[in-house]
Amino acid sequence: GAVVSQHPSRVICKSGTSVKIECRSLDFQATTMFWYRQFPKQSLMLMATSNEGSKATYEQGVEKDKFLINHASLTLSTLTVTSAHPEDSSFYICSARTSSGGSYEQYFGPGTRLTVT
Amino acid sequence: AQSVAQPEDQVNVAEGNPLTVKCTYSVSGNPYLFWYVQYPNRGLQFLLKYITGDNLVKGSYGFEAEFNKSQTSFHLKKPSALVSDSALYFCAVRDILTGGGNKLTFGTGTQLKVEL
Repeated sequence: GAVVSQHPSRVICKSGTSVKIECRSLDFQATTMFWYRQFPKQSLMLMATSNEGSKATYEQGVEKDKFLINHASLTLSTLTVTSAHPEDSSFYICSARTSSGGSYEQYFGPGTRLTVT
Repeated sequence: AQSVAQPEDQVNVAEGNPLTVKCTYSVSGNPYLFWYVQYPNRGLQFLLKYITGDNLVKGSYGFEAEFNKSQTSFHLKKPSALVSDSALYFCAVRDILTGGGNKLTFGTGTQLKVEL
């Protein structure tokens, strides 16, 4: 149980275009979803936290107009990288957490490798 | 503020030998502690967690970790390493007192390399 999927697994886009990444909880309802960014050989940096039906909370230094997050349902959150630039190239990982059952761990998706050319 | 330190960038161990990956933490209140493993170009897989109760926590794939409050440590251990254990390991903490907004803070990761 507790499977989180991401789509696409990898994407290449041209500079200036927008890219949407989907994160789905397949067998549970995710009241909270998180988006992380990971640079090569580095740790995960939290970008934003989203609760279903409300606006995402962004970490300091993360541009909310550039990284649009939508959490419209209990099983789906999307991250849209708008007007992408080469410096946005990274590995983006989502995670999901349910508020039920006293479970405290986050379940992570497999990640999306974004390359902006 | 909560923080996690993984002092070793890389740990090398021979297959069959015990392994330890170190983690220390800092929180204002009581911690929730986690270990995750990441294989190349993959997301994180949950290994184990400490919430409360026994200080020795057993997790997936034969891994275990010991919560030591006085030393603020949560080292990951395995009695006998396998080559397939080679991966990147992350320790993470969530501060119960502040809630942290459900946020996990990750360490910088430790690359484990198990050799024949």
